[in-house]
Amino acid sequence: EIVLTQSPGTLSLSPGERATLSCRASQSVSSSYLGWYQQKPGQAPRLLIYGASNRATGIPDRFSGSGSGTDFTLIISRLEPEDFAVYYCQQYGKSPVTFGGGTKVEIK
Amino acid sequence: QVQLQESGPGLVKPSETLSLTCTVSGGSISNNYWTWIRQPPGKGLEWIGYIYYTGSTNYNPSLKSRVTISVDTSKNQFSLKLSSVTAADTAVYYCARVRLMSPIGPWGQGTLVTVSS
Repeated sequence: EIVLTQSPGTLSLSPGERATLSCRASQSVSSSYLGWYQQKPGQAPRLLIYGASNRATGIPDRFSGSGSGTDFTLIISRLEPEDFAVYYCQQYGKSPVTFGGGTKVEIK
Repeated sequence: QVQLQESGPGLVKPSETLSLTCTVSGGSISNNYWTWIRQPPGKGLEWIGYIYYTGSTNYNPSLKSRVTISVDTSKNQFSLKLSSVTAADTAVYYCARVRLMSPIGPWGQGTLVTVSS
């Protein structure tokens, strides 16, 4: 199976700052099949990015995704208070579907 | 807009079978794939498996020997059974819609199942 490793585990930042989250795959993932989710406490994950770089419906443009092969990045250009949450990458191109371990973005 | 709701016992004894149902509203269960994902408390997400409305399934190899996912199109529901549970199966269980080679969504709100005697 494809193992996704996210780094850092925790990111401590202030509102207004830029967040850069990494997702590295154990083998090549077609960029068409890489997504990013946001999860807040007590809630189900919410899709932010699909196809590595496409924002899902209703997602603000401060969220952007990029990458290819084995290295993918999620950038939040200016953190808003509601952006402090856990973020997961997911590959859905090869069975079994797998998720990264998550990056927690916390308020500094 | 499709909505999903998980239901089932919140407490299961070790060695028994965990059973959950997901009810789909706002749309038909037909012509779609449906999936289960779980999340142990404070940990990450694990895909369990999916089912097509025809009954065709695909399971995570790590759970395959213990998992059965079934569908009841007449009730617009699909279900999860996980046998021989242990404390390691304690998790929030989510149901969701999925399209092949596509991200997962929408999701249900999730239901916590605790395995304990």
